[in-house]
Amino acid sequence: QSALTQPRSVSGSLGQSVTISCTGTSRDVGGYNFVSWYQQHPGRAPTVVIYDVSERPSGVPDRFSGSKSGNTASLTISGLQPDDEADYYCCSYVGGFGTYVFGTGTSVTVL
Amino acid sequence: EVQLVQSGAELKQPGESLKISCKGSGYKFTSYWIGWVRQMPGKGLEWMGIIYLRDSRTLYNPSFQGQVTISADKSIATAFLQWSSLRASDSAIYYCATTRDGDFGWPGWGQGTLVTVSS
Repeated sequence: QSALTQPRSVSGSLGQSVTISCTGTSRDVGGYNFVSWYQQHPGRAPTVVIYDVSERPSGVPDRFSGSKSGNTASLTISGLQPDDEADYYCCSYVGGFGTYVFGTGTSVTVL
Repeated sequence: EVQLVQSGAELKQPGESLKISCKGSGYKFTSYWIGWVRQMPGKGLEWMGIIYLRDSRTLYNPSFQGQVTISADKSIATAFLQWSSLRASDSAIYYCATTRDGDFGWPGWGQGTLVTVSS
């Protein structure tokens, strides 16, 4: 059960948009609409920003959006803000095991 | 509001046993799953396994099967993560997370427990 593949880092200027990809297989990302995304600031616990591919929890700004095509999911952050600078992890349900797998993580830098 | 509170930091020697805890509040505990996540120093998040509080049904990720034991006591709304013989490579922050049965995102997280294994 290998980790999902994410770019190591992405960056964007204040107010711009960035998109983070998350590539898995038909046993995880491609097989279920159960992809979620987590934001983690240094020294803090993760918090969910997207669940079920594109659903946004209450309290999460609509600048965060998610999508999926085949075995690849994506998180887009629009109108980048300084507080968006953090690590982001995708996560997918894994069929067969009934558990979950995280992505390798992406560091987002706001220039 | 779902809240998880984890036990405090631990400093252990190689070969020692350890059991850390994660206590839930603010929801009907028995209808929820609790998962454990490892984060080694400077590294990413790794799912270890999940447990359903109602019947203690437990599912381990293959990398952690046989390395740790996940258990729960629904009477005190608490899940546990246990090692029988710690190694230096078990040094990490361990987070617990929770979700309702039937949901697949994890909205509730504990604050993390730092485990340091060193002689």
